[in-house]
Amino acid sequence: RKEVEQDPGPFNVPEGATVAFNCTYSNSASQSFFWYRQDCRKEPKLLMSVYSSGNEDGRFTAQLNRASQYISLLIRDSKLSDSATYLCVAYTGGFKTIFGAGTRLFVKA
Amino acid sequence: NAGVTQTPKFQVLKTGQSMTLQCAQDMNHNSMYWYRQDPGMGLRLIYYSASEGTTDKGEVPNGYNVSRLNKREFSLRLESAAPSQTSVYFCASTSRGALDTQYFGPGTRLTVL
Repeated sequence: RKEVEQDPGPFNVPEGATVAFNCTYSNSASQSFFWYRQDCRKEPKLLMSVYSSGNEDGRFTAQLNRASQYISLLIRDSKLSDSATYLCVAYTGGFKTIFGAGTRLFVKA
Repeated sequence: NAGVTQTPKFQVLKTGQSMTLQCAQDMNHNSMYWYRQDPGMGLRLIYYSASEGTTDKGEVPNGYNVSRLNKREFSLRLESAAPSQTSVYFCASTSRGALDTQYFGPGTRLTVL
């Protein structure tokens, strides 16, 4: 079983839609979590950190559920420019971060 | 301020050939990392360097060696390339450790025939 699992998608949504991704992690010792965004054939870039209390950054909301060991990313009012792969990342201590394989999102006009 | 740079961008090797992937960062970061990304598998850590003068194995170090040349540069060497090493290689850096934001280079697409 992968330590961090994501639905690979793709999610195809129209502009303006709300879309949510979930990510599950297997290591209960995981301390911190992040969402990275990766455009096609580009490098990953940090989208947002995920705090225990949940956090929001504009149209993006991230939440953590430690009891069920999953994190989520909600994107409201989707834009064409949101089309990308979203990587879920768990930090487990030391220099170990585990990247999920990513969820692909296509936003259509 | 270029961030993290990698060379080359693309490379094709024959099985058994060797090559070195170069990475440099200009953000005065202490920690640097080498990852490989394969379809359906996410990024996997090959080696990392917590600080200048130290290097450690990550999840998939076999077939690779690294050198932290100075604070700015961290190279990855394939001594005898194998088709299983066909991948996209990303270098990253962080200010202190893996809990910090990781800044990635643009990647090197390597094909081993």
